[in-house]
Amino acid sequence: GAVVSQHPSWVICKSGTSVKIECRSLDFQATTMFWYRQFPKQSLMLMATSNEGSKATYEQGVEKDKFLINHASLTLSTLTVTSAHPEDSSFYICSARASGGRGYEQYFGPGTRLTVT
Amino acid sequence: RKEVEQDPGPFNVPEGATVAFNCTYSNSASQSFFWYRQDCRKEPKLLMSVYSSGNEDGRFTAQLNRASQYISLLIRDSKLSDSATYLCVVYLGGGFKTIFGAGTRLFVKA
Repeated sequence: GAVVSQHPSWVICKSGTSVKIECRSLDFQATTMFWYRQFPKQSLMLMATSNEGSKATYEQGVEKDKFLINHASLTLSTLTVTSAHPEDSSFYICSARASGGRGYEQYFGPGTRLTVT
Repeated sequence: RKEVEQDPGPFNVPEGATVAFNCTYSNSASQSFFWYRQDCRKEPKLLMSVYSSGNEDGRFTAQLNRASQYISLLIRDSKLSDSATYLCVVYLGGGFKTIFGAGTRLFVKA
């Protein structure tokens, strides 16, 4: 299957600071990338969908000014959690959908575990 | 009604057992269907796509029933390593939205 990397894999930061998470599709071009959040023992929650070169579409209840998404190229999307607070501590996972022949499968990055103290 | 519904389980089965999961979806215009598995504290990984004609991959068989709007996954000869959460996934098309079910937890015991 296709490979998606995510960096960092885990991060601990102080309340009020910003954290940037990178998501890269390594062996395919991703026209669409997704950002999810998952709390312990809960299901994936879609935060936003981004298409290369355009603004992200945020799900209801997700603050776009707090979770900044940039999808600058077909292989890179970033999520910046601004002014992080302890309630933002979660498992953030990106996924990418390939353009063209791979169909509509989504491939996930390994996730970033964010802890805000 | 949720867009994608799954029995959360957990399903507790012995090694070697056959287990089946069902998933229903609400949007009849849904285009593509998948099963993913997610291990604890890991990202979801694509298990298999689900085709209208049904498809099989080793011990795993997926079926799609468009008329009744449900998808199934059958696991034969369960292994300990099959223990995971299985996510039913539906792609709606159009606005590129993919809907994930909440998952069904499976525990396979020796």
